[in-house]
Amino acid sequence: EPEVTQTPSHQVTQMGQEVILRCVPISNHLYFYWYRQILGQKVEFLVSFYNNEISEKSEIFDDQFSVERPDGSNFTLKIRSTKLEDSAMYFCASSGDKNQPQHFGDGTRLSIL
Amino acid sequence: QKEVEQNSGPLSVPEGAIASLNCTYSDRGSQSFFWYRQYSGKSPELIMFIYSNGDKEDGRFTAQLNKASQYVSLLIRDSQPSDSATYLCAVNMDNFNKFYFGSGTKLNVKP
Repeated sequence: EPEVTQTPSHQVTQMGQEVILRCVPISNHLYFYWYRQILGQKVEFLVSFYNNEISEKSEIFDDQFSVERPDGSNFTLKIRSTKLEDSAMYFCASSGDKNQPQHFGDGTRLSIL
Repeated sequence: QKEVEQNSGPLSVPEGAIASLNCTYSDRGSQSFFWYRQYSGKSPELIMFIYSNGDKEDGRFTAQLNKASQYVSLLIRDSQPSDSATYLCAVNMDNFNKFYFGSGTKLNVKP
């Protein structure tokens, strides 16, 4: 069964450094998403991406965040200057259409020191 | 403020019993509803989705939707210890390109 893959599984970064989280969505999916989950809290929407542009973003997704689809398979989330409060699990998801189920990757655990 | 509300639990049921998980949502215009299972330290795993009022069954799982009451539920029949996890309700509100998640209900199935 096709799946969403994310790398790395765990990223440790010094505060203030840039980090790039990578995702390969399911190949025939058109909608891509990033969510985050701070330990013990709910899954929070960050951004959705369709047709090579952002379609929705939350108030969390401020100027330090950006997303890109650099080629036909990868979907990346960049955090420009990391803060301690960016420590969380980051999940990538994809779907065939916006009302269809979203399939999640295994996540990247981001730890900011 | 768009909200998805779930009882955090834990909900404890004996093995073989029916577990009933509930979720309410704030936006009457919501169109699609999803249940995910999340084991500790893992990613959400899709269990069921439902778009229309009524019941939808898939194996031991039944999703129930009542749009008038803004209520969606998940029934798990013949609960197994392996069903012990946190169950997340997700709603696509306003037909936007994102899901709102509830905080999840922790289910414990006791052997």
